Amino acid sequence: NAGVTQTPKFQVLKTGQSMTLQCAQDMNHNSMYWYRQDPGMGLRLIYYSASEGTTDKGEVPNGYNVSRLNKREFSLRLESAAPSQTSVYFCASSEGGQGNGGSPLHFGNGTRLTVT
Amino acid sequence: LAKTTQPISMDSYEGQEVNITCSHNNIATNDYITWYQQFPSQGPRFIIQGYKTKVTNEVASLFIPADRKSSTLSLPRVSLSDTAVYYCLVGDLTYGQNFVFGPGTRLSVLP
Repeated sequence: NAGVTQTPKFQVLKTGQSMTLQCAQDMNHNSMYWYRQDPGMGLRLIYYSASEGTTDKGEVPNGYNVSRLNKREFSLRLESAAPSQTSVYFCASSEGGQGNGGSPLHFGNGTRLTVT
Repeated sequence: LAKTTQPISMDSYEGQEVNITCSHNNIATNDYITWYQQFPSQGPRFIIQGYKTKVTNEVASLFIPADRKSSTLSLPRVSLSDTAVYYCLVGDLTYGQNFVFGPGTRLSVLP
């Protein structure tokens, strides 16, 4: 059981380049999330998807777009990378849905992105 | 959305019990209280969750008073490997939620 899988693990971009971070979960969870974590800081929510077909902005959505491709996959796209987007990006999922208000978040191991 | 407050850092020695308290004064009726542990270079990991009273599992206990405005994570007999950041989250994940992770509590266990 792989849980939440993120690719790639590491990435270096030049300012202005674009890229897509991939996330897949194999737990049949309804909800998926993208967070970023800057050094020594807590996690900040970028976007989340409560269920397949829906996405909502989190705390820091500017400069990012997301796609909930299907129930398993939730991708995060940087259209024009900036040095301020240098961070560690974590994807998470939770069971969600009626009766699952207490289902915890399951996190991937992160993608370390550096923008020069 | 329930805002949480917890100590920024704590030190302890191996073998001691550690209690980390989280305040969440505006917790809503449907909110659960969940604690996560994060090691460097890893994603947060679920430790324990509760709604009211006391919950215990193989790694921790969670104490929640009747008014639910705070909670205390208790780690019995900590070891060096418990050195990590601990986050308290309060919310209802029925339809996803715009969770705000605070800076967490950085626990350092000393030999």
